[in-house]
Amino acid sequence: NAGVTQTPKFQVLKTGQSMTLQCAQDMNHNSMYWYRQDPGMGLRLIYYSASEGTTDKGEVPNGYNVSRLNKREFSLRLESAAPSQTSVYFCASSDGGHSYEQYFGPGTRLTVT
Amino acid sequence: GNSVTQMEGPVTLSEEAFLTINCTYTATGYPSLFWYVQYPGEGLQLLLKATKADDKGSNKGFEATYRKETTSFHLEKGSVQVSDSAVYFCARHTGGFKTIFGAGTRLFVKA
Repeated sequence: NAGVTQTPKFQVLKTGQSMTLQCAQDMNHNSMYWYRQDPGMGLRLIYYSASEGTTDKGEVPNGYNVSRLNKREFSLRLESAAPSQTSVYFCASSDGGHSYEQYFGPGTRLTVT
Repeated sequence: GNSVTQMEGPVTLSEEAFLTINCTYTATGYPSLFWYVQYPGEGLQLLLKATKADDKGSNKGFEATYRKETTSFHLEKGSVQVSDSAVYFCARHTGGFKTIFGAGTRLFVKA
């Protein structure tokens, strides 16, 4: 089991460029999440998908879009990157049932110049 | 409201010292509580959890007890090792599908 995988690991963008962060899980989990981690801020939820076919906004959704492509994959898109989106992005999954613990990917470090 | 507050770091300890990282939460009802650990360059991983009042979660020598009277879930370890150096996050389930994380506490353990 690979668990939760994310690509790419690192990315540098110029302001205004677009990109998609990919996430996949092989644990047959129903729910998937995208967080950003900034110094002193902990993790903030960007979007989540409670189950295949649904997506919902989290705490900080502005400037992002998501797609739940199938049960395994959940992508995050930045349409027009801004320096304020420089962060480390984590994807996570959980089975969404009675067990609420989340399993995290290794993260993508994004720098927007 | 929904929030998780944990002590600010960094916390610096010598090997074999006793560790406490404080965590308090606001909630209605009795949410599941978690401690996650993040080692350098990695994602978060679950360290321990407690699902109801007075439960004690434990793993790898770490413990935390769910105290509803004080709405706290403090993390403790009797004797830390250099390999415990990491960032520790307290978290609570909000109901539904979401979890709220504290800001994280960085721990440095010196040999």
